[in-house]
Amino acid sequence: SQTIHQWPATLVQPVGSPLSLECTVEGTSNPNLYWYRQAAGRGLQLLFYSVGIGQISSEVPQNLSASRPQDRQFILSSKKLLLSDSGFYLCARDRAYNEQFFGPGTRLTVL
Amino acid sequence: TQLLEQSPQFLSIQEGENLTVYCNSSSVFSSLQWYRQEPGEGPVLLVTVVTGGEVKKLKRLTFQFGDARKDSSLHITAAQPGDTGLYLCAGAGYGGATNKLIFGTGTLLAVQP
Repeated sequence: SQTIHQWPATLVQPVGSPLSLECTVEGTSNPNLYWYRQAAGRGLQLLFYSVGIGQISSEVPQNLSASRPQDRQFILSSKKLLLSDSGFYLCARDRAYNEQFFGPGTRLTVL
Repeated sequence: TQLLEQSPQFLSIQEGENLTVYCNSSSVFSSLQWYRQEPGEGPVLLVTVVTGGEVKKLKRLTFQFGDARKDSSLHITAAQPGDTGLYLCAGAGYGGATNKLIFGTGTLLAVQP
């Protein structure tokens, strides 16, 4: 089956600390992968997408970066977290007919 | 910049009532999806509409894609507490190497028993 894993599920970090969120995909090869951020009860903001290993496109200027070291691995990082980086981070991959399939998400709180 | 505005933003109703959620844009989309998201989880796809004027039914849920492919609506008949959640519409553009989606602003629905 096609599954997306996200780690960790929840994270509380102090301002100025580094960040690394991991997304791994099973059951598919060479997927297009996406990172979204979501504020509570609101829509999704696309942060990054990747069409292959080492290929990253950024949608909005921000304090975050992304990397794709392996076909099925997508990592979201920051060198120094800001309060505004708090949110629910979702990894997704393409499915048929422009649909996207989402992972379970990571809740990040920056204090 | 493509935007998808959803209305209402919040909706609290009693079990058994009907409701309609709207998703509007000034942009044309090749297809439009509706997702439902529960707290602490990722969104789950409900339906995809691809043809202008298309109507799809999923049990008590009816989805419509506008004739001009710029808007959509979701109608729920006889809402149940299990319908509670965040409803998101998402539009897909034309062409490109990816299926980048523009997500709507979200409608938070609470159905009281």
